[in-house]
Amino acid sequence: DTGVSQDPRHKITKRGQNVTFRCDPISEHNRLYWYRQTLGQGPEFLTYFQNEAQLEKSRLLSDRFSAERPKGSFSTLEIQRTEQGDSAMYLCASSLGRPSYNEQFFGPGTRLTVL
Amino acid sequence: AQSVTQLDSQVPVFEEAPVELRCNYSSSVSVYLFWYVQYPNQGLQLLLKYLSGSTLVKGINGFEAEFNKSQTSFHLRKPSVHISDTAEYFCAVTAPLGYGGSQGNLIFGKGTKLSVKP
Repeated sequence: DTGVSQDPRHKITKRGQNVTFRCDPISEHNRLYWYRQTLGQGPEFLTYFQNEAQLEKSRLLSDRFSAERPKGSFSTLEIQRTEQGDSAMYLCASSLGRPSYNEQFFGPGTRLTVL
Repeated sequence: AQSVTQLDSQVPVFEEAPVELRCNYSSSVSVYLFWYVQYPNQGLQLLLKYLSGSTLVKGINGFEAEFNKSQTSFHLRKPSVHISDTAEYFCAVTAPLGYGGSQGNLIFGKGTKLSVKP
């Protein structure tokens, strides 16, 4: 068990470009969450998957954002036509999704800077 | 829906002094409560959690927290801090899966930056 990994760790892009981030959860975890953390704030929920199904999306997830989890393994988060307001740390977490308790394990995050 | 308020954005303290980081929550259903720590440029590490049972929970690195349902609080304490405890601490809440529509996503406070000075 190597924990949750995210790639890249840092991404600098120009406004208007598209970016894609990858998250590899702990192998037996069937739930995967994406959060966004802006400066001075706590993480905010974006979306989550149970296996390959995307079951909930936050209002924070505008039409420019899309997430996938093919085959229920790794997940990608794509931001199209990036804006400066998208600059943030993007965190991924995974969990076993037991009937009631849901401990989430976090990856190191991808820090996005939009110039 | 749930919400979390961390009352102090920054807490400076001297090494070996005790510290308390405050957290209040609101929820219309039963909740699970968590404290996470975040070191610079790193992800979140779970310090401790309250699910049920004893209201005093102990976590890693000598931290503990007490769940107070009547005051809707879950304050984090450590009797003697070290320089290495300097980090940002987040309180988080979630409802049990399926409870009130919960999908298990965590609701975080804005964080408290703990600065331990020699």
